[in-house]
Formats: sequence, structure tokens, C-alpha cells
Amino acid sequence: EPEVTQTPSHQVTQMGQEVILRCVPISNHLYFYWYRQILGQKVEFLVSFYNNEISEKSEIFDDQFSVERPDGSNFTLKIRSTKLEDSAMYFCASSPSTGPSGANVLTFGAGSRLTVL
Amino acid sequence: AQSVTQLDSHVSVSEGTPVLLRCNYSSSYSPSLFWYVQHPNKGLQLLLKYTSAATLVKGINGFEAEFKKSETSFHLTKPSAHMSDAAEYFCVVTLNTGNQFYFGTGTSLTVIP
Repeated sequence: EPEVTQTPSHQVTQMGQEVILRCVPISNHLYFYWYRQILGQKVEFLVSFYNNEISEKSEIFDDQFSVERPDGSNFTLKIRSTKLEDSAMYFCASSPSTGPSGANVLTFGAGSRLTVL
Repeated sequence: AQSVTQLDSHVSVSEGTPVLLRCNYSSSYSPSLFWYVQHPNKGLQLLLKYTSAATLVKGINGFEAEFKKSETSFHLTKPSAHMSDAAEYFCVVTLNTGNQFYFGTGTSLTVIP
């Protein structure tokens, strides 16, 4: 069964450092997402990406965050200057489509745990 | 606005007994609803989805959920719990035309042998 793969599974970084989280979505999917889950809290939407541009983003996704699809397979989330409160599990997801004919179904990766010290 | 409320943060059942995980939603439009499961150190796995077709939805591993518009509920059930069902369960709502998913706070299911 096709999977969304994420690397690294766990990253520890110092406050102020830049972090890049990588994701390989399912190959024929068109929509890509990042979500995060702070320990003990709910899963929160960060951003969705389609056709090489951001289609939606939440209030959380401020100027320190950016996403990129540098090639045909990878989808990355960059945090420019990490803060303590960025410590969370970050989930990448992809879906084949969206639209009124039926909701898209997200396939999630296993997550990348980011710890900011 | 869309939101999801999972009424129980933790549910504990004995192996072989029924499971009920409750979810209520709020949506201005016709929603699509999902249940995802998260096992320890694993990603979020889709259990089942409702997208305006049959109101009783069957999913994987013997789980099912019923969409009740009058009660704005989408409770997850299973007739007989198995030890492997122990996990975190998330109820999720989205619009059919949107691509933003709204998660509930999750329900942790413990299965007692």
C-alpha cells in the first residue's frame, strides 16, 4: 500500500536554528499538507499546497515557516528560527484530489518529532 | 465554522466488550467526517469516512460509525474490542470543497485483558 514517508523521525535542535522536515507524498497525489501536534494537544492544520503554491494556511503558519516542493517527489517544511514552542510532532499528508464530488482523504506519514532546546 | 468535539478523552473497555467513542461536530455546511487512529509511534491511519452517501459507514478492523445529522454526531463503534485496538482515535471534519481538516482532541482507548 502506498505510504507517505517522513524524515527525520526525530530531530533535536537548539533554539534559533533552522530546521527542514522532509516528506515524500504518495506519487500520484496532488495536494500536500503539514499538520502539527504539540504534546497533549490536538492536531492542528498548518498549510496546504497545490500546484506549486500554498492554497491555504492557518494563523500558526507565520513568516518563520515555509514550504517547498523542490523536485517531483519531496515536500519540505522549513522553520527558519526555531522557538521552544515549535516542539511538536509534525505530520505530512497528501491526497489525490479535493472538490465537491467527494471529500479528499488524507494519507498521513508517521510524523517527525521536533524537540527545540 | 467547523469544529469537532470528542466527548471522552479516555475510554477503557475489557477485551471482547463493545467500544463506543463519541464525536459531535459543528459545521455550517454539509460536512465530510472521518475517524483516524494513531498507534504509538505511528502515523495517522484512516479508519473510515462519511461523505454524504450511506449514513452507516463501515471501516477497517470491524469499526463502524453512523452519521446522525439530527444529533450532529458521528460516534465510532465496534462490537468486540481487541487488544490491538488500544490507540488514540481522532474524529475529523472537513467541507467537501475544502482542504482544511479539523481534528478533535482525541480519545485514548485502553483495552483491558
